Amino acid sequence: ELKVEQNPLFLSMQEEKNYTIYCNYSTTSDRLYWYRQDPGKSLESLFVLLSNGAVKQEGRLMASLDTKARLSTLHITAAVHDLSATYFCAVDIVTTSGTYKYIFGTGTRLKVLA
Amino acid sequence: KAGVTQTPRYLIKTRGQQVTLSCSPISGHRSVSWYQQTPGQGLQFLFEYFSETQRNKGNFPGRFSGRQFSNSRSEMNVSTLELGDSALYLCASSPTSGSDTQYFGPGTRLTVL
Repeated sequence: ELKVEQNPLFLSMQEEKNYTIYCNYSTTSDRLYWYRQDPGKSLESLFVLLSNGAVKQEGRLMASLDTKARLSTLHITAAVHDLSATYFCAVDIVTTSGTYKYIFGTGTRLKVLA
Repeated sequence: KAGVTQTPRYLIKTRGQQVTLSCSPISGHRSVSWYQQTPGQGLQFLFEYFSETQRNKGNFPGRFSGRQFSNSRSEMNVSTLELGDSALYLCASSPTSGSDTQYFGPGTRLTVL
């Protein structure tokens, strides 16, 4: 069964600290995506990682992809309260009929404490 | 460009009723996907439409159906509503089918009483 798992599921961290969210997936995928969701809001695209070894950075967030390990990481540097949100990773897979399908991870709820 | 829009934003229905949700994608986007989000099950894929054809379908009962029109707008219908259908229904559009960043609408919050 295809699984996209994130850990931790919940993360409470102090401001100015660093932490990493992990996303493991169980099948080959062409791309990996990271999204952010604020409470009561929709999802916002953060990063698209296209190949093994890809690294993308935006502000205090940096995402990387290791396709051989089927692992992506979202690293948070010097967290600030504004980063409090739920973070989802997603992979797209090729179905048996040759079409693509998006599978989302379980989500990581991040709370940055002042 | 205007973003993905969904109507209505909030909806309250009773068990046994049916509901239709609407999604207008970003101009030029031809793929529309629907997701159900609940606290217990997370984000679950419902189906994807591309050029008026259903390309993929998730593991939901036949009470959940959808369609896409020639202008790429999409509707999702749920018949014989159950309490467990209470959820946030998200629509996402992308330029092509699959393997592309999806742009999400604000969602429709459905409450079934």
